[in-house]
This record gives sequence, structure tokens and C-alpha cells, in this order.
Amino acid sequence: NAGVTQTPKFQVLKTGQSMTLQCAQDMNHEYMSWYRQDPGMGLRLIHYSVGAGITDQGEVPNGYNVSRSTTEDFPLRLLSAAPSQTSVYFCASSSQGRGYGYTFGSGTRLTVV
Amino acid sequence: DAKTTQPTSMDCAEGRAANLPCNHSTISGNEYVYWYRQIHSQGPQYIIHGLKNNETNEMASLIITEDRKSSTLILPHATLRDTAVYYCIVRSDQTGANNLFFGTGTRLTVIP
Repeated sequence: NAGVTQTPKFQVLKTGQSMTLQCAQDMNHEYMSWYRQDPGMGLRLIHYSVGAGITDQGEVPNGYNVSRSTTEDFPLRLLSAAPSQTSVYFCASSSQGRGYGYTFGSGTRLTVV
Repeated sequence: DAKTTQPTSMDCAEGRAANLPCNHSTISGNEYVYWYRQIHSQGPQYIIHGLKNNETNEMASLIITEDRKSSTLILPHATLRDTAVYYCIVRSDQTGANNLFFGTGTRLTVIP
């Protein structure tokens, strides 16, 4: 089925460890983005990309890196995990960034201890 | 993008219409109103959007006031599966440069 696939679904990290959250879409969408959602709060934008080779920062980019080498994939890297990065992470894609066309993945629940 | 204000929570009886309000008094002429919802811990799901005319699709209706300073999302016959957090978002429909910014939304609880 077409959509946005995120892996892993759950992850526990120790403080200081690094890891990559994977995001892939098969809809040939140009636009991809990463959000985090903390308990009781809305989603906050971390990084986004308007096409392969182009990335930019969102509201809360510190502690995260992204790259976009292909249209399909947009991985999010945590450089040195901190307890403050415990959150649920959502990846989304959209054709040309149109507001009505966002498709979200099912999320990655990350706990940093 | 214009700021939006929504009630924190609402209840609705199953089978009745759910009317979710949103204030966006600083909306500008080229900004659209978008509605998304998030069921439990899933990723948000697009519902409907509009510029100035009322809109209807298979999921909901969107009523935008004539001055465009507020809008109402209507779920005509709410079911238990409509229990979710509903986000009202205002942004221009420019491609690429803009993002979706989510507030805290309205938590709708449909009561049996």
C-alpha cells in the first residue's frame, strides 16, 4: 500500500547513544518533514526537505540531523541522545508541500534513559 | 501564518453532530483553513480545507464565516471512532516554502 513507512516503531536508547530513524515514502512526493510530539502537546517541526539534496530547519532542530539523497528516503539522525528527546516522532510527505496533501507515518516512539 | 484558537476539549453524543469551532482573526486573504485529526497515537489525518466558501466531503463539512475570522468543522453523525484530537491550521497554499504548524487542537470525545 502506498504511504509513509517509519522504522523502528519503538526504540530505547541510553543517553549519549546515536541512532537513525528511518522514513520512506513511495508516492513520489517532493516534500518530506519530521515532527516530534511530546505528551499533551501538538506536533513540532524538526526538519523538512523540499526535494532531494535540499533540507532546512524547522522549529526544534537542535540535536538532530537530516539528509535527503533520494526522493523516497528522509532519515532523521540523533547525534547524542538526551532524555529531552524522549518523544514520538512522525514523518510526513506531501506533493509540493500542499497543505491538504500531507500523509503521515505511524510514528516512532523513542525513550532515552 | 495566522494563529488559531480552539477549545481544549469537547464532548459529543454518539449519532449527534459534532461542531468544532476555530478562531483565526488574523487570517490573511491568501490563507486557507485546514483541518486534520489525530486518533489516539496515530499520525494526523487530513480531513478538509477551504478558502472562503463552505466545503463538504465524505468526512465532514467546513463552514467559514463571511469575514473569514472563524470557522466550524462539522461531523454530521459522530461515531465512537471520531474520538480524536482535531487541529485547525491556517496557512497559505504556497508549495514547498511553507509547513504545517500544529497547535494543541481540540480533544473531541464521542460519548455512547
